[in-house]
Amino acid sequence: RKEVEQDPGPFNVPEGATVAFNCTYSNSASQSFFWYRQDCRKEPKLLMSVYSSGNEDGRFTAQLNRASQYISLLIRDSKLSDSATYLCVVNEKDSGGGADGLTFGKGTHLIIQP
Amino acid sequence: NAGVTQTPKFQVLKTGQSMTLQCAQDMNHEYMSWYRQDPGMGLRLIHYSVGAGITDQGEVPNGYNVSRSTTEDFPLRLLSAAPSQTSVYFCASSRKVWGVQGSEKLFFGSGTQLSVL
Repeated sequence: RKEVEQDPGPFNVPEGATVAFNCTYSNSASQSFFWYRQDCRKEPKLLMSVYSSGNEDGRFTAQLNRASQYISLLIRDSKLSDSATYLCVVNEKDSGGGADGLTFGKGTHLIIQP
Repeated sequence: NAGVTQTPKFQVLKTGQSMTLQCAQDMNHEYMSWYRQDPGMGLRLIHYSVGAGITDQGEVPNGYNVSRSTTEDFPLRLLSAAPSQTSVYFCASSRKVWGVQGSEKLFFGSGTQLSVL
């Protein structure tokens, strides 16, 4: 079974701090990568895709390391509203494939403390 | 635009009962799927469909049936509920083909909390 591994946490981080967590994947043929955010008792929502060259969206930075088979998410200047579970998602389908190739990690629980 | 609508939000069943979880999307997405989420297990794919009239099994299909008679609807049927099916269920939809990185996105319904006693 293809694996996507995340540290479940919880990560307890003071407001304003920078926090980073990784996700490792076992299938070296994986094609695309995502971070989803899931609030307590809510549905997952796409936070950001992870591009090969790394990408940034405001306070969030995502990076991909294909050689070591992991992706990372860094959150700068953390806010109370960043408290959530962050799901790593890996797609093994190449162009022409779709969502049936997705494998979800179990999530990393982040708690931002005032 | 409603997105993905899932009903009911909560359901309690007795062992052996059957029921149908409803899922509808109004985005004209070809792909629809059902996941279950259990503590410590993450999201696991139950069944999926890449278009009307086409369904396939995911990772954990036993005890569940699906059908896709229209593009919009993808109901999940529990044939004879068991306590092991106590879980949170999510329906999701997306475009069928993910060709351009960054444009891929899975849209989720708000979930159904199911308890089987």
